[in-house]
Amino acid sequence: EAGVAQSPRYKIIEKRQSVAFWCNPISGHATLYWYQQILGQGPKLLIQFQNNGVVDDSQLPKDRFSAERLKGVDSTLKIQPAKLEDSAVYLCASSTRQTEQYFGPGTRLTVT
Amino acid sequence: AQSVTQLDSHVSVSEGTPVLLRCNYSSSYSPSLFWYVQHPNKGLQLLLKYTSAATLVKGINGFEAEFKKSETSFHLTKPSAHMSDAAEYFCVLLNQAGTALIFGKGTTLSVSS
Repeated sequence: EAGVAQSPRYKIIEKRQSVAFWCNPISGHATLYWYQQILGQGPKLLIQFQNNGVVDDSQLPKDRFSAERLKGVDSTLKIQPAKLEDSAVYLCASSTRQTEQYFGPGTRLTVT
Repeated sequence: AQSVTQLDSHVSVSEGTPVLLRCNYSSSYSPSLFWYVQHPNKGLQLLLKYTSAATLVKGINGFEAEFKKSETSFHLTKPSAHMSDAAEYFCVLLNQAGTALIFGKGTTLSVSS
């Protein structure tokens, strides 16, 4: 079966610009996650969706980050405006059960 | 508090020798624990998981981990390292609500020939 797809794979922007990442989960996976992985650290959950509803967004910096999952399939994560500290790999994962998460290859964001 | 501590940021072994990656956890509940592997430019892959069944858990590619409640540890081992094992390894704890994975900072495994 096809895995979790993410695009773009790499993105370089200047601070204060906006950027969007796209994720297509594994077909049939109701739960979708966005993680932020800063260099040298483990991934940190930003937001979790169950179908098109938000389950947990307690770690999402809502003043600049937003995410949506229209129709309960694809998802988009947006940052506006970006800061230098947002440089990281943004990982998308999906699952059918809480404990089985499948990860995409990630989008590496560099903010200059 | 719930957290995961990986005791080594970098481990180097020779091909064919044993691998030991150490992980301690902190939780006030019965934990579900995992090991994930991340190869360069690839997504995270689940190696194995512990969910309160057998304390010795076998995973893919010859890896296994032993849950020790008395030591609050979940160390990852492999009898004989292969060059393809070189990667970043993450010890992971499921939060009490069952809604999020809590990752350690990772251990980089290097394998030399």
